[in-house]
Amino acid sequence: EAQVTQNPRYLITVTGKKLTVTCSQNMNHEYMSWYRQDPGLGLRQIYYSMNVEVTDKGDVPEGYKVSRKEKRNFPLILESPSPNQTSLYFCASSKRDNQPQHFGDGTRLSIL
Amino acid sequence: GNSVTQMEGPVTLSEEAFLTINCTYTATGYPSLFWYVQYPGEGLQLLLKATKADDKGSNKGFEATYRKETTSFHLEKGSVQVSDSAVYFCALMNYGGSQGNLIFGKGTKLSVKP
Repeated sequence: EAQVTQNPRYLITVTGKKLTVTCSQNMNHEYMSWYRQDPGLGLRQIYYSMNVEVTDKGDVPEGYKVSRKEKRNFPLILESPSPNQTSLYFCASSKRDNQPQHFGDGTRLSIL
Repeated sequence: GNSVTQMEGPVTLSEEAFLTINCTYTATGYPSLFWYVQYPGEGLQLLLKATKADDKGSNKGFEATYRKETTSFHLEKGSVQVSDSAVYFCALMNYGGSQGNLIFGKGTKLSVKP
């Protein structure tokens, strides 16, 4: 089954403790992306990747890092999480950047 | 810059009512337009898309027409069902160089009552 898998689905942690949210897709997609969803703000793109070793900033990259060492994986790294990063995060992928994106089920992060 | 504005919700309708969710956009060039749907507790799913002016996207009884003259992409359905209750997002993607940014509206929550 074609899917985008994020882990964990839920996480409560404390300020400053590094965390990584993993994202994996099994569709051999070139394009992958991370979004955060906040009430009243909709979805905003954090980072995206056009292909392996090619990443670029979206609209709200501050406080986040990503890497794309393999085609299927696109982890989101919060080196020093802060409470304003409490949000619902979605990973997405598509065959190329101009194709509709497939979304994961989301990761709800709470930073205390 | 690029932006998407959609009507604020929540929208509450009775089953079999007609649905319109307005969406307008601002973009340079010729973006592709999308509607995504998010059911409770789930990720976003592509509902329909249109890639050029006057294209009509349709799926599951929903339709939207890409209107360049009014920069709009309104979502419509003739007869909604309880199972259509969800949050609907209008989005655009503009292409140029290596740009791959999908811009979303803030979402419109639809509740359909039996």
